[in-house]
Amino acid sequence: EVQLVESGGGLVQPGRSLRLSCAASGFTFDDYAMHWVRQAPGKGLEWVSGISWNSGSIGYADSVKGRFTISRDNAKNSLYLQMNSLRAEDTALYYCAAVSGAWGQGTLVTVSS
Amino acid sequence: DIQMTQSPSSLSASVGDRVTITCQASQDISNYLNWYQQKPGKAPKLLIYDASNLETGVPSRFSGSGSGTDFTFTISSLQPEDIATYYCQQYDNLPLSSFGQGTKLEIK
Repeated sequence: EVQLVESGGGLVQPGRSLRLSCAASGFTFDDYAMHWVRQAPGKGLEWVSGISWNSGSIGYADSVKGRFTISRDNAKNSLYLQMNSLRAEDTALYYCAAVSGAWGQGTLVTVSS
Repeated sequence: DIQMTQSPSSLSASVGDRVTITCQASQDISNYLNWYQQKPGKAPKLLIYDASNLETGVPSRFSGSGSGTDFTFTISSLQPEDIATYYCQQYDNLPLSSFGQGTKLEIK
């Protein structure tokens, strides 16, 4: 069974950092590019960042460029999102997703003082 | 960056109706388009990939068409369980991607 399980979310003050993780199982992780997608409360889906299978190509939404860093460890079947200089508008449910169409259930990040 | 314009933003239809949602890309994306269904409190579910291919296990009343910049998603006969929000997603230049604004579908 294909599974993506996110972790690392929580309540954090503005300006602080947080690192999200996504553990993959049930498929050949290093066959696929991966994305982070977020959804603010009551809002639509926003693509945040993506990484190719071998980390050779990486992209970010303008809203997070320079603050967030995506990475992956294929040996550990894991995807990461390092989020620095967090803002209130980064508050959202963060999903990891494979380009095959598999999604996790999300981890909630709340940025508030 | 490729912008996706999805319409309508909301839609009310009756059971059995044919429902159509459109998505327009700001530049040619060939057929690199997904359609997702999201129900409240749940992760999005892939319905259509490569613009017109039905994901395994998805009912045949769902379909997609289009290429280039203009795409259409259709439910041929609306069922009560289809109430959800639907999103298009382009993946023309992986790992970059973007979503449409979503269409909230309600029963009339």
